[in-house]
Parts: sequence; structure tokens; C-alpha cells
Amino acid sequence: NAGVTQTPKFQVLKTGQSMTLQCAQDMNHEYMSWYRQDPGMGLRLIHYSVGAGITDQGEVPNGYNVSRSTTEDFPLRLLSAAPSQTSVYFCASSYRGAGYEQYFGPGTRLTVT
Amino acid sequence: GENVEQHPSTLSVQEGDSAVIKCTYSDSASNYFPWYKQELGKGPQLIIDIRSNVGEKKDQRIAVTLNKTAKHFSLHITETQPEDSAVYFCAAKGTNAGKSTFGDGTTLTVKP
Repeated sequence: NAGVTQTPKFQVLKTGQSMTLQCAQDMNHEYMSWYRQDPGMGLRLIHYSVGAGITDQGEVPNGYNVSRSTTEDFPLRLLSAAPSQTSVYFCASSYRGAGYEQYFGPGTRLTVT
Repeated sequence: GENVEQHPSTLSVQEGDSAVIKCTYSDSASNYFPWYKQELGKGPQLIIDIRSNVGEKKDQRIAVTLNKTAKHFSLHITETQPEDSAVYFCAAKGTNAGKSTFGDGTTLTVKP
């Protein structure tokens, strides 16, 4: 199993540009989440999904969109990038059978200039 | 919503000493409390977890305790080693299975 994969690993955007961060898992997990990690602020939940076709907002959803058309994929879209979205983004997956332990991807480091 | 506070933000110990990191949570319905370790440049990885029906859990040098009445839980690492140096996060999950709230993290440095 590859586990949770994220692409790209690094990205630089100009203010106003849009892009999609990719996340995929091959463990058939029903739950998937996106977090952003900023210095001193831990991991903050952006959006999450409890199954294909079902998504909901986390703590900091503004400026981001998600969709979950398959169990495996959970892309995160930045609609119009802002410098405040400079961060490291982590995708995670989990399932009830594992007691909700989250498996994290390696992260995407995004810089918005 | 749930609020998780974690202390201290940084912790430095000598190799062989013990380290303790504490977290408090606000939602009494929270029922799952994991601890994650994050090494530089990597995603967090689960090291131990505890459920609300258990007071303590041990795994070799690592233990977690939970006080539901006071709404706090702690990570204990004994006989620390330099490879324990990392950022540690606590988290709490309530009745919404898809949602977890994380503490702000503790940077642990173990000096040889």
C-alpha cells in the first residue's frame, strides 16, 4: 500500500491564481480530511469528508473548496490564492475499523507571493 | 466547537529523563484522544491513543493518562532518547467521526 499520497510536494503561486492540491489513499478509508499547519498553530481542519459524495467544513474553510467523487480521492481547491494561504497542507484518512487513527500524507508546502 | 489546549509549547530534557506533555479539552462528548509525533519534513504519525472508557494506556516507554472529570489527558515518555526529539500533537475527537481538533503542538528536544 502507498498509504496517503499528496501532490505536489512544493508549489509557489502568485496572488489570485487558483490550483488544486491532490490527495489519494489506497486503504479504502471512509474518512478524509485536509489540514493546514502554520508555525505555533498546530493543525487546523479545513474540510473533511465522511464518505464519497459527503463533505463538510472544518475550522478554517474560507477560500477552499473540496469534493469527494470517489473513496480514494479528496482534492483541495484554492479558488483565488492569497498570501494568508501560505502554509503546509496535510491530507489524512481514517476509518472506523482502525479506531479513527488518522494516516497523514507527506504534506504540500505552498507559498503564495 | 471543541477546543484543545496543549502545554508546554517547548520542552527540553536530558537523555534518560522523563517528559510530560499535557492537554485539556472542552467538549465532554469527546471520546477518542490520540497523540501524534511529527518529525521534520514529514506528516504526523500516531504513537498512542486512548478512549474515554480507559484511564491509562502504556506502550513500552510511552504512556497516556486520561482524566474525564477534569477533561485533561497527558503523554508520558520515560527514558527519553535523542530520537524522541520531534513535535508532538494531542487531539480530541467527539461524536462526529470525521472531525478531530488538534492542540498547537509541543517541540520536544532530548539532549544527549
